[in-house]
Amino acid sequence: QQQVKQSPQSLIVQKGGISIINCAYENTAFDYFPWYQQFPGKGPALLIAIRPDVSEKKEGRFTISFNKSAKQFSLHIMDSQPGDSATYFCAASIGGGTSYGKLTFGQGTILTVHP
Amino acid sequence: GAVVSQHPSRVICKSGTSVKIECRSLDFQATTMFWYRQFPKKSLMLMATSNEGSKATYEQGVEKDKFLINHASLTLSTLTVTSAHPEDSSFYICSQGYTFGSGTRLTVV
Repeated sequence: QQQVKQSPQSLIVQKGGISIINCAYENTAFDYFPWYQQFPGKGPALLIAIRPDVSEKKEGRFTISFNKSAKQFSLHIMDSQPGDSATYFCAASIGGGTSYGKLTFGQGTILTVHP
Repeated sequence: GAVVSQHPSRVICKSGTSVKIECRSLDFQATTMFWYRQFPKKSLMLMATSNEGSKATYEQGVEKDKFLINHASLTLSTLTVTSAHPEDSSFYICSQGYTFGSGTRLTVV
């Protein structure tokens, strides 16, 4: 059973535009929602993360919006750059105890930013 | 944040042989680490939880006898793919907390 659904599968944006990736989850026990960026042949790198007691978190050009009642969260990349071209994964975790770091991933979004 | 080192970055082995992948937590004592598998253009799927000093916990559908996990110290977890076959070819990635290693590309020929 897929517990985290991510869309779109691929996204093309012009340089300077806004990239938006959406995720929805099912398990209400999830309490930590990170976003990862992955380049080909590399491991995923943590970009930004949010907990459900916050509706929005911003770090530089990256913003997470979180809607607890709808069980949805999204990543916004402002002023998208060609260097942002990568695969982005949302994920969810039950943050405490022995499950700390245990992640369920969305399907991934391939972002292409045209110059 | 944590620093996770994974080796080798890529390995090619013959069908029927075994391959060991190492995952080290360089700056943090890790009682728990995780192993994921990723097929081309697909998402990461959790294979198992590596527990220091005890048996690993495998996800449903993962063959524990094929994917042997050892976590003998607080800084090192190893994944051994035994009797590898071409269908085991994949990208294997470990993590400590929310930090991932650089991954290992395994190709079985």
